[in-house]
Amino acid sequence: DVKVTQSSRYLVKRTGEKVFLECVQDMDHENMFWYRQDPGLGLRLIYFSYDVKMKEKGDIPEGYSVSREKKERFSLILESASTNQTSMYLCASRPGTWAYEQYFGPGTRLTVT
Amino acid sequence: DAKTTQPPSMDCAEGRAANLPCNHSTISGNEYVYWYRQIHSQGPQYIIHGLKNNETNEMASLIITEDRKSSTLILPHATLRDTAVYYCIVREVTPNTGNQFYFGTGTSLTVIP
Repeated sequence: DVKVTQSSRYLVKRTGEKVFLECVQDMDHENMFWYRQDPGLGLRLIYFSYDVKMKEKGDIPEGYSVSREKKERFSLILESASTNQTSMYLCASRPGTWAYEQYFGPGTRLTVT
Repeated sequence: DAKTTQPPSMDCAEGRAANLPCNHSTISGNEYVYWYRQIHSQGPQYIIHGLKNNETNEMASLIITEDRKSSTLILPHATLRDTAVYYCIVREVTPNTGNQFYFGTGTSLTVIP
């Protein structure tokens, strides 16, 4: 089975802190994604990566950056966390652009105080 | 991408069929219909997808109307573990788009004992 893991299930950070959210997949997938999920807004795409060192902005990239130095790992970075970044963050991976199915991790609930 | 409309919530008796509707009246000829679900505290999980023909797998059946303006996801014998938010997504598959998914707010299905 494909496994997508996220470094933390729950995280509490202070305003202004630099925050790293890590995502690792174990199936050699080319594509990886970061979403955030908020009540009433569904899932929104922040960034995605087609391959190592490649990244593309999603719908709401402001305030975030990403890093993909190795194929299995996709990191989401909040350079200076703000309270409006309190959310559930979901990572996903997919074998390639031809694949229909995305595999999601369990999510990280981030609270910024 | 075509916009989808789903009822915000539905109930279904355990053991009965759950029929979840989705309207996508502006769908174009190249857009597929996908269904995902998200069980509480987990990431979304792929269920099924289709273009024109009805589809069935071990989890569910997908019925797409002839004009493709609506579809229905059928869980033939709902169990308590099917309680989840169900997302209907339409998306064009092209090599360049990377097949991103736009998740709305979905339908919250509650299976009642």
